[in-house]
Amino acid sequence: GAGVSQSPRYKVAKRGQDVALRCDPISGHVSLFWYQQALGQGPEFLTYFQNEAQLDKSGLPSDRFFAERPEGSVSTLKIQRTQQEDSAVYLCASSLFYSLNQPQHFGDGTRLSIL
Amino acid sequence: AQTVTQSQPEMSVQEAETVTLSCTYDTSESNYYLFWYKQPPSRQMILVIRQEAYKQQNATENRFSVNFQKAAKSFSLKISDSQLGDTAMYFCAFIAQSGGGADGLTFGKGTHLIIQP
Repeated sequence: GAGVSQSPRYKVAKRGQDVALRCDPISGHVSLFWYQQALGQGPEFLTYFQNEAQLDKSGLPSDRFFAERPEGSVSTLKIQRTQQEDSAVYLCASSLFYSLNQPQHFGDGTRLSIL
Repeated sequence: AQTVTQSQPEMSVQEAETVTLSCTYDTSESNYYLFWYKQPPSRQMILVIRQEAYKQQNATENRFSVNFQKAAKSFSLKISDSQLGDTAMYFCAFIAQSGGGADGLTFGKGTHLIIQP
């Protein structure tokens, strides 16, 4: 596709349920990033993949958060036993390769609401 | 730890005016890049402009330019001849090559820019 695609665009879940958010990066992009954006805040880094390798997961807030990219393309962010503080927009970004000057191309995000 | 501070939560100017958004950052790294991203209500984050720390010349992209003051750790965005379509949240962001491995962007809290007709 032409850009980074995220699905679903909106997700509502009850507290305690598990959710899975999908990111389809730009074709050929090696690097993939996940960010969490709380209401009225800037995005915060969660985790980074280079191909299928998860090189940095220092931003994941707890062990309830898990991300994977098994074939080096599509990535899934999974949140287990969701809590109200998990409500946020989850943004995915990709770049052609990892370099400081490489721009990250963002998707439209998934707005997650935990009731 | 790296931090990015945007001290202006909201700004409003008339169409065609020039507006400057401020950003300061804190880092001990020597090799880094700075970015301004625009996020319209549609939510997609769009890159506006980027600046390498080693370059003294300020970056420009059409109506957008930066004032990069490395010693002061300041990175402001100037928008000339502002247009209604410039209305959006603007985020200042930073990335550095740290020794522990790959990192993502560090963002400020954003400035909501409103262009009035």
